[in-house]
Amino acid sequence: GQNIDQPTEMTATEGAIVQINCTYQTSGFNGLFWYQQHAGEAPTFLSYNVLDGLEEKGRFSSFLSRSKGYSYLLLKELQMKDSASYLCAVRDLGGNQGGKLIFGQGTELSVKP
Amino acid sequence: GAGVSQSPSNKVTEKGKDVELRCDPISGHTALYWYRQSLGQGLEFLIYFQGNSAPDKSGLPSDRFSAERTGGSVSTLTIQRTQQEDSAVYLCASSRNWGNTIYFGEGSWLTVV
Repeated sequence: GQNIDQPTEMTATEGAIVQINCTYQTSGFNGLFWYQQHAGEAPTFLSYNVLDGLEEKGRFSSFLSRSKGYSYLLLKELQMKDSASYLCAVRDLGGNQGGKLIFGQGTELSVKP
Repeated sequence: GAGVSQSPSNKVTEKGKDVELRCDPISGHTALYWYRQSLGQGLEFLIYFQGNSAPDKSGLPSDRFSAERTGGSVSTLTIQRTQQEDSAVYLCASSRNWGNTIYFGEGSWLTVV
């Protein structure tokens, strides 16, 4: 089966940097995704990692270590609008999974002035 | 269409009635996912399609839930004899085969009274 862990909630200050960690266990890893979800809205795609290393996209960066089953999402120059839930998801080809995307419970980020 | 389209946006139904939720994926996307999200909870995987086939149906909560996809495009999620615990937002997502971006629709908000 799959197991995806991320902190339930985090708080950070406007203008600061925050790192949201995600650890996972899968039998057939085929990519890790980060999504942002504001309350009452659908998840919005942020990033995708399938190889080890850092992917940078503006204020958002995502890192992956497949050997450690570990990823993080880094948010720089935090803005109030970044207050949202951040979801880590892993695509698993193991067993008969056929490539389904499994989500963690999400990290609720609160950005304070 | 430009994005994943879901209908209805909102549905209020009486306990015991059947409901159908529709998902129209992005054109050319072969993979289609259904998730359920209860208030304040994470995304619960329901079912995944690759083309018209569903390699993994393990997430369907009970035999009252079924889904089909025809022509490799539109998918319908059917809930029979709805119960109050079925109240949630039902999210659909699609991607190209093993694509690096998976897009969500805005969801169908179901309330069973």
